[in-house]
Formats: sequence, structure tokens, C-alpha cells
Amino acid sequence: QQPVQSPQAVILREGEDAVINCSSSKALYSVHWYRQKHGEAPVFLMILLKGGEQKGHDKISASFNEKKQQSSLYLTASQLSYSGTYFCGTPPSGAGSYQLTFGKGTKLSVIP
Amino acid sequence: DTGVSQNPRHKITKRGQNVTFRCDPISEHNRLYWYRQTLGQGPEFLTYFQNEAQLEKSRLLSDRFSAERPKGSFSTLEIQRTEQGDSAMYLCASSFSGTGGDGYTFGSGTRLTVV
Repeated sequence: QQPVQSPQAVILREGEDAVINCSSSKALYSVHWYRQKHGEAPVFLMILLKGGEQKGHDKISASFNEKKQQSSLYLTASQLSYSGTYFCGTPPSGAGSYQLTFGKGTKLSVIP
Repeated sequence: DTGVSQNPRHKITKRGQNVTFRCDPISEHNRLYWYRQTLGQGPEFLTYFQNEAQLEKSRLLSDRFSAERPKGSFSTLEIQRTEQGDSAMYLCASSFSGTGGDGYTFGSGTRLTVV
């Protein structure tokens, strides 16, 4: 079952913050986050493996709420380079499941 | 290592023709995946290999699609009797089966146009 991402699109001015949500009607075992710039391949950002886990690097971080079957990606003090489409991906089941089902993506545009 | 390499970058073919794409993963990665992406959508899983074994195949994948990974190195994806609905970006990705959770490294993709 495809995870649902919200919002579908967001426009930010440089320096503003954004939150992208990824939710599922089924249990979430792990969550991957990727960013894809136009015409390029998706690039891995981070993976969250356990409920309650939070990760981050630079000004991009994420959380994973296993009970709510939801993950959120936080972008703070956005930069022009953050523009792109963000995808979350989740495996269909637990251990031994390595393929991902991706959401439809959230298009983020950062303007000067 | 220069990452995941896919060839060709673009392919235009006539409906009914067969096409084959190649993917060279990162050499240390033992898992290899094929995904398909259409405009405005996230990547859609097609199949994946662990070493040379094809372990999962999407139920949505018709029997016109076949993939191989001989000797656990490069992989090929063949589409027989192409249809216009096969037009998409075909992405290959690889990962390493470590214990810390493994993100994918994607290739730049092969864009297929069926006319």
C-alpha cells in the first residue's frame, strides 16, 4: 500500500522551515527519505528504522512515530539547494523485505 | 567507484520491438533493484536481486518484462513487445546488506519512449 505524503507541494522563501509528512494505513517498519531534483536520480537522505527514532544532518532531520504510522521530514532554514521532490519509501513488511513502496512525492520550491 | 551506471540514457523504440537496459551497480553492493517512474509519480518497484538471485518481483510486472543478474554483478532488464504504456524512466538502484539500514544509491536512469 502506497504511503501518503502531504503536502503535495510547498513554496518557501530562503530561510523558512517546512515539514513533510508520510503516513501509512498499514504498520510502518522503516522509512526511507529521498530527494530528487528535476531530471536527476533520487538521492538518499536518511533511513529511520525504529519507532521514536530521530535523525538529522545539516538542517534536515526526520522522525518516525511507529504508533501513528507516520514519519515527518523537517527542513529548517531552507536553502535554494533544498528545492526538489521529496519521496518517502517504506517496505511492505518487516525483516527480510527490502523493496520500497514510494509515496507520490512532495515538491518543494525554495525561492530567494 | 563512480556510482550506479545505467545504459543507455535514452531509448526510443517502435511499439512491438524488444529493448534491453543495463545497470552496473556499486561493486560492493550485493542488492540490486529495478524501479519504473512516470511523470509526477514516485518510483514503482519492479524487481530486486540479492547477488545473482532474483528474490522479489512485482505482481504488477507483466511477463513481457524479464531481468537477470548473471554472476551477481551487472543486471539487464528486457522488455519484449513494447507498448506505449511502457514509456517511463527505468531506474536501477543498489544497496549493501549491512545491519545499519541501507539506503539506495540510484542510477541516472534510462528514459524509454515507445512510439
